[in-house]
Amino acid sequence: QKEVEQDPGPLSVPEGAIVSLNCTYSNSAFQYFMWYRQYSRKGPELLMYTYSSGNKEDGRFTAQVDKSSKYISLFIRDSQPSDSATYLCAMSAPRGFNKFYFGSGTKLNVKP
Amino acid sequence: DTGVSQDPRHKITKRGQNVTFRCDPISEHNRLYWYRQTLGQGPEFLTYFQNEAQLEKSRLLSDRFSAERPKGSFSTLEIQRTEQGDSAMYLCASSAGGSGEKLFFGSGTQLSVL
Repeated sequence: QKEVEQDPGPLSVPEGAIVSLNCTYSNSAFQYFMWYRQYSRKGPELLMYTYSSGNKEDGRFTAQVDKSSKYISLFIRDSQPSDSATYLCAMSAPRGFNKFYFGSGTKLNVKP
Repeated sequence: DTGVSQDPRHKITKRGQNVTFRCDPISEHNRLYWYRQTLGQGPEFLTYFQNEAQLEKSRLLSDRFSAERPKGSFSTLEIQRTEQGDSAMYLCASSAGGSGEKLFFGSGTQLSVL
């Protein structure tokens, strides 16, 4: 079983739609949760960063963490064609070597 | 540009050749990571430096791979006797360390082994 599971998609939505992206994980030691956006042939770009449980909002993006269910989400409101990319979730534990565990990424296509 | 810089962006080589990639991290960051990413997959950890010390290396990393970070600044990743299975995007990331560190990635080096 992988440490982090993520639906690969692709997910295709019309412009203006609300997008929901999700990851599940198995290691209860994870405390730091991240979402990265990766455009084709580019490196991942840090989009959202959350510590422990709760919500964090930044513009059109909202990250949610539910540690009891080992489930994290990224919501994109008023999606734009420029949001078309692969979204990677990542997480790490607070102690020792900070190895980051990545999901396989969900490819999102926002149609004009 | 104060981000993570990687060179070259693309590398095409023949099987059996050696290749070397360079990474320049964000200047104040003391941690540097190398990852490998294949199509449709997330980044896979290769190795990690704290300043100039290589502290962790993936068990998946064969002896053909070696990384250095002299003087705790830039880093190089060398692959000897390349194989077609080495074809991937090689990503470098850096962080300021500490609990809850954030990784910042470069644009990667796309390696194609023919």
